[in-house]
Amino acid sequence: TQLLEQSPQFLSIQEGENLTVYCNSSSVFSSLQWYRQEPGEGPVLLVTVVTGGEVKKLKRLTFQFGDARKDSSLHITAAQPGDTGLYLCAGGETSGSRLTFGEGTQLTVNP
Amino acid sequence: GAVVSQHPSRVICKSGTSVKIECRSLDFQATTMFWYRQFPKQSLMLMATSNEGSKATYEQGVEKDKFLINHASLTLSTLTVTSAHPEDSSFYICSAMESSYEQYFGPGTRLTVT
Repeated sequence: TQLLEQSPQFLSIQEGENLTVYCNSSSVFSSLQWYRQEPGEGPVLLVTVVTGGEVKKLKRLTFQFGDARKDSSLHITAAQPGDTGLYLCAGGETSGSRLTFGEGTQLTVNP
Repeated sequence: GAVVSQHPSRVICKSGTSVKIECRSLDFQATTMFWYRQFPKQSLMLMATSNEGSKATYEQGVEKDKFLINHASLTLSTLTVTSAHPEDSSFYICSAMESSYEQYFGPGTRLTVT
């Protein structure tokens, strides 16, 4: 069973600050996906990274996949209250189609 | 992006009754769908993998006779919670694979068993 450790679990910051969320594993993943979820709704896919060392940017969000495809990070620049939500990383297992989810990071951006 | 719908969004049922939740991929065909359960302020817990035209694969600890899954077409999977009890109350979310590695999630179904 592949495990994915996500940190921090909770993060409360002020508007305008920067933050980074990490996902780490001892296992190799075929892909790494980041989702954002709001209360009472399903997760929304933000990005998928598949190549070791890959960096993708989505406006103020920067996603990176580790060279060995075992870890990933999400960096948010100048956070806004609209960024508040539960951020989930999920690794695609090399042996099939299942996703291994991290524990999630509950982000609160205060105005 | 690909769109996945779920119905109903909320359901309240009495203990002992059965509830069916539908998951549909609206603009793509999905040979594989997944069913998850989520507790408050926690991550998603995979319950089962639903494959079109074959039996679902259940995760360890998930009772297949209690959580019946049917994937009769490339756009529809259903989860039936049989003889529901209050401890089955939860947020159930489905996802569908649009490509070889991307999953798109439905909006979830809030089940409350009284």
